[in-house]
Order: sequence, then C-alpha cells, then structure tokens
Amino acid sequence: GAGVSQSPSNKVTEKGKDVELRCDPISGHTALYWYRQSLGQGLEFLIYFQGNSAPDKSGLPSDRFSAERTGGSVSTLTIQRTQQEDSAVYLCASSSPTGGVGNTIYFGEGSWLTVV
Amino acid sequence: AQSVAQPEDQVNVAEGNPLTVKCTYSVSGNPYLFWYVQYPNRGLQFLLKYITGDNLVKGSYGFEAEFNKSQTSFHLKKPSALVSDSALYFCAVSLSGGYQKVTFGIGTKLQVIP
Repeated sequence: GAGVSQSPSNKVTEKGKDVELRCDPISGHTALYWYRQSLGQGLEFLIYFQGNSAPDKSGLPSDRFSAERTGGSVSTLTIQRTQQEDSAVYLCASSSPTGGVGNTIYFGEGSWLTVV
Repeated sequence: AQSVAQPEDQVNVAEGNPLTVKCTYSVSGNPYLFWYVQYPNRGLQFLLKYITGDNLVKGSYGFEAEFNKSQTSFHLKKPSALVSDSALYFCAVSLSGGYQKVTFGIGTKLQVIP
C-alpha cells in the first residue's frame, strides 16, 4: 500500500482480555518495527523484524506481549491478559534498505489502546 | 550497541528566533542519522536524514541538521521558529548500509512561544 496501515485505530478493552493489533507495512519493505508510546512520552522499542532473520524481541516488556510477521508482510502484536499500564499508542513502522533511502523508517498512525 | 541521546526534555523558543534541538549518537561505524517530528495525536513524520556527502542536510518545513563526526552530533536547526513547529522531535541512528536496525532517542518537546 501507499503507507503503513494499522488497525484498529482505537481499541478499548477490559482488563484481563487479550488484544491483537495489526500492521500492514509498505509493500516491499523488509524491516518492520513495533513501538509503544505512553501519553506525551518517548518511543519504547518493542520488537524488530528484518526479512527472514530471527526477530529482535529485546524490547518486549513481558511474556504477555508477542508479535509475529506472516509471509514477511503483515504483522500482529498480541497482548494477553491486558493490564491498565498497557494503555498506550502502539506504533508500527517499516523500512527498506534499497532505493538509496538509507533505512528511512515510515510510521503508521498508531493503534490507541485503552485498558479499563 | 548503538544509542542516541537527546539531552533536553523540552526546548522553549520565541517565535521568529532560531531554534536548535540537540542530538548526539553512538555507533560502531559510519552512521545514518534521521530526524522525525510528531504532532499531537499523530504518528511520526520523517523530516530529514544524513547518509553521506554534505554535512549540512536540508529537510522539510525549513529544517536543517548538521552532521559533525568529531562531536558525534546531529543537531536540528531552523533559522526562524514558527508556532506551528511546536511538536515532539526524535533523533535516530543506524549503522550505514542496508538491513540495519534504527535506534531512536527519547524525544525533545519543542515549544514555540508566540
């Protein structure tokens, strides 16, 4: 697609429920990132996929968080047994090393998660 | 491991005055450097990047940044600030070359005062 697409744009869920957030990267981009941003705060790195390499999961805050990327394209971030502190904006981004763009990352508009 | 430091949580500047948002980086090799801007309730938007060549890079909305290898810095500048420049600014770094992970700083809030 033309840009990074994320869904849902807004999600309100009850504490303890599981949620899935979806990211559709720019077509042909081999790298995909997930970040979390609490209100007015900086970016918290969660996970990084690059092609067929093993993902860098070093930023996942707990084992309740997981992510997968199927077919090297769409990615799903899953949060199990949500807690109120999980409330944040979850940002997805993608990049490509080709075309002389030097790994420039392009962001989606984010999925706003509220746990009540 | 690579890292980015943005030493100021917030920068305040009067409208019409020049602005600088600071960034220093650490990487084990030649860097690619980036600046992004985030307006309220929006995703991050790409402003400019340094890959190679001229150390002074010009980007969107009149912003520019200067790559200084000896000081490992990539400060963002604009000659005359606008109220509409008020936003959150992020600096980022990766190693040069393809398939390199990009690391972001924590962000600096720019407040332009009318």
